[in-house]
Amino acid sequence: GQNIDQPTEMTATEGAIVQINCTYQTSGFNGLFWYQQHAGEAPTFLSYNVLDGLEEKGRFSSFLSRSKGYSYLLLKELQMKDSASYLCAVLDSNYQLIWGAGTKLIIKP
Amino acid sequence: IAGITQAPTSQILAAGRRMTLRCTQDMRHNAMYWYRQDLGLGLRLIHYSNTAGTTGKGEVPDGYSVSRANTDDFPLTLASAVPSQTSVYFCASSSSDTDTQYFGPGTRLTVL
Repeated sequence: GQNIDQPTEMTATEGAIVQINCTYQTSGFNGLFWYQQHAGEAPTFLSYNVLDGLEEKGRFSSFLSRSKGYSYLLLKELQMKDSASYLCAVLDSNYQLIWGAGTKLIIKP
Repeated sequence: IAGITQAPTSQILAAGRRMTLRCTQDMRHNAMYWYRQDLGLGLRLIHYSNTAGTTGKGEVPDGYSVSRANTDDFPLTLASAVPSQTSVYFCASSSSDTDTQYFGPGTRLTVL
């Protein structure tokens, strides 16, 4: 079956760096997405990786290793507004998005 | 309007009643999707449409139906609601250029 694994919850301190990991086993691979979802709101797009390596976008970076079925989202200079759930999703061979359950990130002052 | 809108924002429904959740996008995206999101679970795909006039079943289609008469609208119908359909429902769309999905604000549905 298809499976996306990410930690349920993480805690970090304002101003610090946090890495959220995602491992996947899917039927085919056509890219990996990271979304941010604040409580009570819709998911919003953060990043897309289809080739191995690091993609940097401001304070957020996303890394992909296709051979290891692994990705991470790196958040730098954490702000209180970064408190949210972070969703990992893989586009499978049918171009359907398979979603992880999300990682709830709690930022403490 | 800009982006995707959903209606209603929230609804409490008696079991057995019929309900249609509305979704409209103005981005001229060809593909549209309906998901449900339950606590502790990832987003689960209910139905999708790759282009106007076509629809397909997702992971959890039972009890739901959709139609895609035009590019902009993608309503989701619960023919006879059951309590297990209590959830937050998100509509999303994507263009043929990228596979990035953009989400509406969601509908919180409670079936009693």
